[in-house]
Amino acid sequence: AQSVTQLGSHVSVSEGALVLLRCNYSSSVPPYLFWYVQYPNQGLQLLLKYTSAATLVKGINGFEAEFKKSETSFHLTKPSAHMSDAAEYFCAVSANTGNQFYFGTGTSLTVIP
Amino acid sequence: DTGVSQDPRHKITKRGQNVTFRCDPISEHNRLYWYRQTLGQGPEFLTYFQNEAQLEKSRLLSDRFSAERPKGSFSTLEIQRTEQGDSAMYLCASSKQDRHRDSGGTRNEQYFGPGTRLTVT
Repeated sequence: AQSVTQLGSHVSVSEGALVLLRCNYSSSVPPYLFWYVQYPNQGLQLLLKYTSAATLVKGINGFEAEFKKSETSFHLTKPSAHMSDAAEYFCAVSANTGNQFYFGTGTSLTVIP
Repeated sequence: DTGVSQDPRHKITKRGQNVTFRCDPISEHNRLYWYRQTLGQGPEFLTYFQNEAQLEKSRLLSDRFSAERPKGSFSTLEIQRTEQGDSAMYLCASSKQDRHRDSGGTRNEQYFGPGTRLTVT
């Protein structure tokens, strides 16, 4: 079975500061891991994914995430927050056969000018 | 490619009425997924299709819910005798699936549509 836990339902950072959104996963098989972003009243947009090729994954809009098996974590980071990063972020896991995704409850990111 | 589209974007209905939503996936994608998202929560899996075959259904999908993908292209999700608890955003996603673990590219990624927001009054 797979599941993810996102620590912190709300995160606030100042513009230009480091963004760190936490995700821990549970999986009985080697997982696929994903981060998605959702803007108000829109669908989910893929930021990045981990599929075992490299533990440090770079995505769009300057985001990256590092897969740490020993910590069962896949935290999302961005060195410098921009106002346009304000959105809801979801971590998701699926089994390596790529069936259904299991999403976390989301983290709402606020960027303070 | 125009991406995943969903219709309608918004639906307001009275309790007890039936509603039907449509999803058009990315054309070459063989898998199609339905999720439900309530306020403040992540999407919850409902069901998915591989081509026209419905391969898995969540326990969330009560007998009032039915999904079809008759020709392996677009899909419909019908809710009969709607209840206020059905109010949510219904998301559709599609992917091009294969058996091999992907070390790059876009296989096995789910691309989401904009969703249909259902309000049951």
